[in-house]
Amino acid sequence: KNEVEQSPQNLTAQEGEFITINCSYSVGISALHWLQQHPGGGIVSLFMLSSGKKKHGRLIATINIQEKHSSLHITASHPRDSAVYICAVIGNSGGSNYKLTFGKGTLLTVNP
Amino acid sequence: DAGVIQSPRHEVTEMGQEVTLRCKPISGHNSLFWYRQTMMRGLELLIYFNNNVPIDDSGMPEDRFSAKMPNASFSTLKIQPSEPRDSAVYFCASSLRGWGTGELFFGEGSRLTVL
Repeated sequence: KNEVEQSPQNLTAQEGEFITINCSYSVGISALHWLQQHPGGGIVSLFMLSSGKKKHGRLIATINIQEKHSSLHITASHPRDSAVYICAVIGNSGGSNYKLTFGKGTLLTVNP
Repeated sequence: DAGVIQSPRHEVTEMGQEVTLRCKPISGHNSLFWYRQTMMRGLELLIYFNNNVPIDDSGMPEDRFSAKMPNASFSTLKIQPSEPRDSAVYFCASSLRGWGTGELFFGEGSRLTVL
């Protein structure tokens, strides 16, 4: 079982819809990251979280440390939001505070 | 700042050839990472440098892979000899501090195809 599980694997939405991508992890963490990768493109860091909630434009990320769960929300989705969204965590044991464990990603397609 | 710069963006080579990928991190960042991305395995950490010193190279697949960081503004990842299973996108990333405490900035990636 992967230490970081994302759901759904694939998500198709209509422009304007509210979107939620979920991430569950099984280890204690010091931080969780949400990354965005456009098809054939580079990777952009969207958020780094260790508690609570962060907001940037139409994107909101939340984390519940007790439940080992994070969500990425996109409000008023747009076709340009179409990308793979990757959840990644840094474990808080063993001194490897640099090593990310990645989820397999969620492919989001927003249709006009 | 121009961000993390990688070259080449695309490389097609034949099995057995030497491949060198290059990375220029963001100025002032003291942590540098090389990742490999494949469809089968997703993103994997190959090696982590802090202040130009390799801290963790446990992700380097085998002796055919080597990485250097001769100074704070340049790193290379070399594969010699290359094999078809090395085909992947290789990302370089840098961070102002150790990854656990700092945001990570990725380059555009180098797409390697080994025939």
